[in-house]
Amino acid sequence: EIVLTQSPATLSLSPGERATLSCRASQSVSNYLAWYQQKPGQAPRLLIYDASSRATGIPARFSGSGSGTDFTLTISSLEPEDFAVYYCQQRYNLNTFGQGTKLEIK
Amino acid sequence: QVQLVESGGGVVQPGRSLRLSCAASGFIFSSNAMHWVRQAPGKGLEWVAAISYDGSSKYSADSVKGRFTISRDNSKNTLYLQMNSLKVDDTAVYYCARELTHGYPHYWGHGTLVTVSS
Repeated sequence: EIVLTQSPATLSLSPGERATLSCRASQSVSNYLAWYQQKPGQAPRLLIYDASSRATGIPARFSGSGSGTDFTLTISSLEPEDFAVYYCQQRYNLNTFGQGTKLEIK
Repeated sequence: QVQLVESGGGVVQPGRSLRLSCAASGFIFSSNAMHWVRQAPGKGLEWVAAISYDGSSKYSADSVKGRFTISRDNSKNTLYLQMNSLKVDDTAVYYCARELTHGYPHYWGHGTLVTVSS
């Protein structure tokens, strides 16, 4: 099973700041990695797929990068609605999710 | 618009069975692979199982292999998850999700809560 490790567990930032979230895979997943956002009481929302492609309707402030084992989700300038939990997910070998990063308001 | 509505959740004793359903509408159900993903209370997401558009291929996580079975009825636009030998650790909100051509779960239902407790 491919294990995805996200860091940090919690990230405290202010609106307008830049957020950088990390996801590391236990083995190469090529570029078969996605990022999701989840707010309390809601289903997850797909943000990024194939490491760097934005899903339909996702604002340009969200970007993804990386390949192999190291991936990054960047939010260029935080909006109030961006504070949520973010998960990475690989589909290279079946599917697994990371444990999540909580992005909270500082 | 795309709608996925899960049902069948509830409280069940350890060792018993439960079948979840996911009714799909607003798209051609028989064209897309589908997934089940669960989330224990206060915890992260865990992928459970997936099925190809025509039901010919099925995949599941090691944690549920041999106990849970994913299936679909394209004539009824419905996805199922048969859960047998339930354990306390299976307690979670279960989401169904539609996979698009990019290969990832994209549209998600609101989930149904399964509580396994004596």
